[in-house]
Amino acid sequence: ETGVTQTPRHLVMGMTNKKSLKCEQHLGHNAMYWYKQSAKKPLELMFVYSLEERVENNSVPSRFSPECPNSSHLFLHLHTLQPEDSALYLCASSQAPGLAGTDTQYFGPGTRLTVL
Amino acid sequence: AQSVTQLDSQVPVFEEAPVELRCNYSSSVSVYLFWYVQYPNQGLQLLLKYLSGSTLVKGINGFEAEFNKSQTSFHLRKPSVHISDTAEYFCAVTRKGGATNKLIFGTGTLLAVQP
Repeated sequence: ETGVTQTPRHLVMGMTNKKSLKCEQHLGHNAMYWYKQSAKKPLELMFVYSLEERVENNSVPSRFSPECPNSSHLFLHLHTLQPEDSALYLCASSQAPGLAGTDTQYFGPGTRLTVL
Repeated sequence: AQSVTQLDSQVPVFEEAPVELRCNYSSSVSVYLFWYVQYPNQGLQLLLKYLSGSTLVKGINGFEAEFNKSQTSFHLRKPSVHISDTAEYFCAVTRKGGATNKLIFGTGTLLAVQP
């Protein structure tokens, strides 16, 4: 595998379910990100991890819980979601732990989440 | 705070014609500028970025963009498009020296290339 991979690619869940999204980067990067992409809206940054520490939580509801066990893996744990949480969830990674703003972010293909 | 405006939600164009996708930004501080492309069922891929130096930036797949500080614009251009360029294009900015490499995206422009 190369680049950034995400599993599953599609997920349908009920509002009472608990599920997790997984992201893995094979680029040797030190920073990882979760974004939410909804129709007709800009991509929204949700969380940023640098060297496995959370450095940004962009006012995300607590029903979304991120986890970064090591620099290659990032999870997004989901529980008691709402239908408006249906979206494409994108993971990205970048090289520098200092997060200087110049680094390119490399994106995975996303998980299409539908909440019924 | 920063914001990005992509006024055109969709741009139809015939194959081999030139195209320009518009991007304007607002920021009280200096920013870096990016264009990303998203092909159907795929993640975003970097086309090009402006960090400093020459205001004309060349990217992959024959695309280029010009940074205009006075007009706070970063329009994307290609002199001759192909069917394979059909995709959604996102302009983004990040604050210079920011603490978290936070990208602020526009709403995207769908480039629809017709034969």
